[in-house]
Amino acid sequence: EDKVVQSPLSLVVHEGDTVTLNCSYEVTNFRSLLWYKQEKKAPTFLFMLTSSGIEKKSGRLSSILDKKELFSILNITATQTGDSAVYLCAVEAGSARQLTFGSGTQLTVLP
Amino acid sequence: KAGVTQTPRYLIKTRGQQVTLSCSPISGHRSVSWYQQTPGQGLQFLFEYFSETQRNKGNFPGRFSGRQFSNSRSEMNVSTLELGDSALYLCASSLEILGARTYEQYFGPGTRLTVT
Repeated sequence: EDKVVQSPLSLVVHEGDTVTLNCSYEVTNFRSLLWYKQEKKAPTFLFMLTSSGIEKKSGRLSSILDKKELFSILNITATQTGDSAVYLCAVEAGSARQLTFGSGTQLTVLP
Repeated sequence: KAGVTQTPRYLIKTRGQQVTLSCSPISGHRSVSWYQQTPGQGLQFLFEYFSETQRNKGNFPGRFSGRQFSNSRSEMNVSTLELGDSALYLCASSLEILGARTYEQYFGPGTRLTVT
């Protein structure tokens, strides 16, 4: 059974801090790993990673995948209160066209 | 371009009843997936439809079913509702080009179902 584990489950930081969110996975026939941000609504897409070692970057957010060690990290620099959300990691594997989600990391950024 | 829309946004039903939820994907997207999100289990895959055919199904009982229409709109149905079916039901659509899916799934706002 495919498994995706995120850590930490929750994190509280102050504005300006840098955070690193972790996602590890155990799947058969890995295809891609995706990061989503979920506030009080539907998840919004952040990144899709398929190759090891290639950093994806968007503003203050960046992510990288390690297919040998089976994990990914999401970095957020100079955090702002608007970054407060649940960050979800999902993996697509095998021939199934479904995403297996981790339980998410609840990030709270205090002013 | 309009996003994924879901109706209704909120629904309250009693145990034993059935419910139908609707999802309209982004124009041009033919793949529609359904997910259930609960505080205890997180986001779990229900099923995926493409060109009116169910391509994949998650580990949910047969009370959960779905279908897709020729315009790619999709519905999911839950029969004989149980208290544990209370959840946020999310629909997501994605684009496929020549059989290759762009993995980005765009989520709708969800339908919040409460079973009493």
